[in-house]
Amino acid sequence: KAGVTQTPRYLIKTRGQQVTLSCSPISGHRSVSWYQQTPGQGLQFLFEYFSETQRNKGNFPGRFSGRQFSNSRSEMNVSTLELGDSALYLCASSFRASGRASVGNEQFFGPGTRLTVL
Amino acid sequence: AQTVTQSQPEMSVQEAETVTLSCTYDTSESDYYLFWYKQPPSRQMILVIRQEAYKQQNATENRFSVNFQKAAKSFSLKISDSQLGDAAMYFCAYRSARYNNNDMRFGAGTRLTVKP
Repeated sequence: KAGVTQTPRYLIKTRGQQVTLSCSPISGHRSVSWYQQTPGQGLQFLFEYFSETQRNKGNFPGRFSGRQFSNSRSEMNVSTLELGDSALYLCASSFRASGRASVGNEQFFGPGTRLTVL
Repeated sequence: AQTVTQSQPEMSVQEAETVTLSCTYDTSESDYYLFWYKQPPSRQMILVIRQEAYKQQNATENRFSVNFQKAAKSFSLKISDSQLGDAAMYFCAYRSARYNNNDMRFGAGTRLTVKP
């Protein structure tokens, strides 16, 4: 079974631009979560999508948005890029079902997209 | 809000020896999961071990085991018979079972070096 894939792997943008990152989850996984990893702030949760709906959102400004398609693939978009948006963006997929049982399910992470904002 | 603290930014262990990584967390909830994730230099995070808060028995996965102290809100990871491939960043993470979501809170991480 193929793992979580993220494209592109590296991206260089300038301040004020916008960027779209893509994540393809493991086949059969309907939950996709996004995380931002920086040396200063560590790993921070951005948002989670399940069945094309945003289920939860972290404490990030509205410039960060996302969506999920019917095939569970997800994209995240950052508009009006700032220098502080430079980070490794990780996507993780998991098998999610209703109820408490799925909370403990393993999240499978992709290799990440390294975004550099100049 | 739940917070996770890893007080050891770096740890070092000799190959074949045992090392323990510390993690404490703060929560008012009683139902949650705790995880240890490993991030090797290639960057892909992988799950090492998980613990359900309601289970008193400490989780074990081959050479990896945890010491879960619920009252003390402590969740340490013990790696036995350390191997060169264990060298990585290790992240402790917390996830509430209350809201059934994937809002996972991570600690700052511990960089583990394994010396041959």
